[in-house]
Amino acid sequence: ETGVTQTPRHLVMGMTNKKSLKCEQHLGHNAMYWYKQSAKKPLELMFVYNFKEQTENNSVPSRFSPECPNSSHLFLHLHTLQPEDSALYLCASSQDPRKETQYFGPGTRLLVL
Amino acid sequence: AQKVTQAQTEISVVEKEDVTLDCVYETRDTTYYLFWYKQPPSGELVFLIRRNSFDEQNEISGRYSWNFQKSTSSFNFTITASQVVDSAVYFCALRANFGNEKLTFGTGTRLTIIP
Repeated sequence: ETGVTQTPRHLVMGMTNKKSLKCEQHLGHNAMYWYKQSAKKPLELMFVYNFKEQTENNSVPSRFSPECPNSSHLFLHLHTLQPEDSALYLCASSQDPRKETQYFGPGTRLLVL
Repeated sequence: AQKVTQAQTEISVVEKEDVTLDCVYETRDTTYYLFWYKQPPSGELVFLIRRNSFDEQNEISGRYSWNFQKSTSSFNFTITASQVVDSAVYFCALRANFGNEKLTFGTGTRLTIIP
C-alpha cells in the first residue's frame, strides 16, 4: 500500500460504545495529524504528533484519545461520544510539521447515534 | 491569527468552460505557505500545490493554474477546459513558515462540472 490509509472507512457507534480509528502512512514521514471535518465547517486540527510525541492538542475533549506507537501509525480512541461528534475524521502525515506538505488519507466517516 | 476565506460556496459550470476559484487569506506572518487541496466524493484530500510567500510567480500545471497576488492577499485557482472529473470540493489553506504548525483551511468551494 502507498500513501496514507485509514480504517475503517465508515463507522456507526452508539454513545456508550468504545471504538478506535486507525491511520497508517507509508511515506516515511515523521509527523502525523488528526483532523475533524464537519458539514459546512473548516477542517479542524485535533492532534499533531512529531516523532511519536504529541506536539499539539487543539482543545479536544477527552472522549477523543490519540495514540501514536510509532511514526507510521496513529490511532484515535473514541469513547462516550456525542451525536455532534459525527463527522469525517481525516488523518494526514508530513515529513516535518513545520515545513512540509501534509498528505491526507481517505478519512473515516463516523456516525454517532 | 490566520484566516482563509473562500467566498464561493458552490459553483457549477458546463464542461469545457473555464472556472476560477477564489481564495483570500489573512496572516500577520511575513513568510508563509499557501496550499490548494481537492476533495473528491471519496473523501481524501488530494494535494494540488504549495506556494511559498516569497515566490509570487504564477504556476501552470496542465489545465490548472494559480494566481498568487500578495498585494491583495489572494491565491486564486483556475481550471481551464473543465472536465467532469474536476467535480469536487476545493480547499485553500495557509500555514506560517515558522513556529506554528497549524494549517488553516478555508471552508471550501464545491465545484460541479455539468456534462
